Amino acid sequence: SQQGEEDPQALSIQEGENATMNCSYKTSINNLQWYRQNSGRGLVHLILIRSNEREKHSGRLRVTLDTSKKSSSLLITASRAADTASYFCATDKGTYKYIFGTGTRLKVLA
Amino acid sequence: EPEVTQTPSHQVTQMGQEVILRCVPISNHLYFYWYRQILGQKVEFLVSFYNNEISEKSEIFDDQFSVERPDGSNFTLKIRSTKLEDSAMYFCASSERGSGANVLTFGAGSRLTVL
Repeated sequence: SQQGEEDPQALSIQEGENATMNCSYKTSINNLQWYRQNSGRGLVHLILIRSNEREKHSGRLRVTLDTSKKSSSLLITASRAADTASYFCATDKGTYKYIFGTGTRLKVLA
Repeated sequence: EPEVTQTPSHQVTQMGQEVILRCVPISNHLYFYWYRQILGQKVEFLVSFYNNEISEKSEIFDDQFSVERPDGSNFTLKIRSTKLEDSAMYFCASSERGSGANVLTFGAGSRLTVL
């Protein structure tokens, strides 16, 4: 089964606005992570939230997790042009296998 | 900051040829992974590797693919008899642990173009 579907697929906002991306998954998880990918580059870890946590903050990032709905959201506040990238959620079922979603392409306009 | 190194950054090959992609994981990491990403699409899990054995593999990772840790530092992905649809970015990643609150560190990727 496919794990991790982000929406929207693409998001375009003005600098200074907040960006919200959502991730849905299908099976139970141990934790959920968000990664960022600049064009043509590798993925960089942003934040991890465990299955028993509901919300987590890191700088301008806020992640929520609703295990009853099998969904997570990533909020980037006060976005900057440098935040332009693709954002992926990844789920871990504890089986040496991290499954990534389809990604949200964020474009922040200066 | 420690990083995962991948070579080559770009390889062009003819259909049917064998390709070896190389990765040097972070030195104290014990778990290694290969992912691939067809241009603009999702990041797909191929295989995870621990203690010189495959831990998990996906349906994509068929007999055409193999992984090896030939020495204490390199982790390789071999693709035998490449097909056009193997054209993609291949990412190596490593982690300290295999599960739990565990972060993957990715390399910059190897772009494979099969003609």
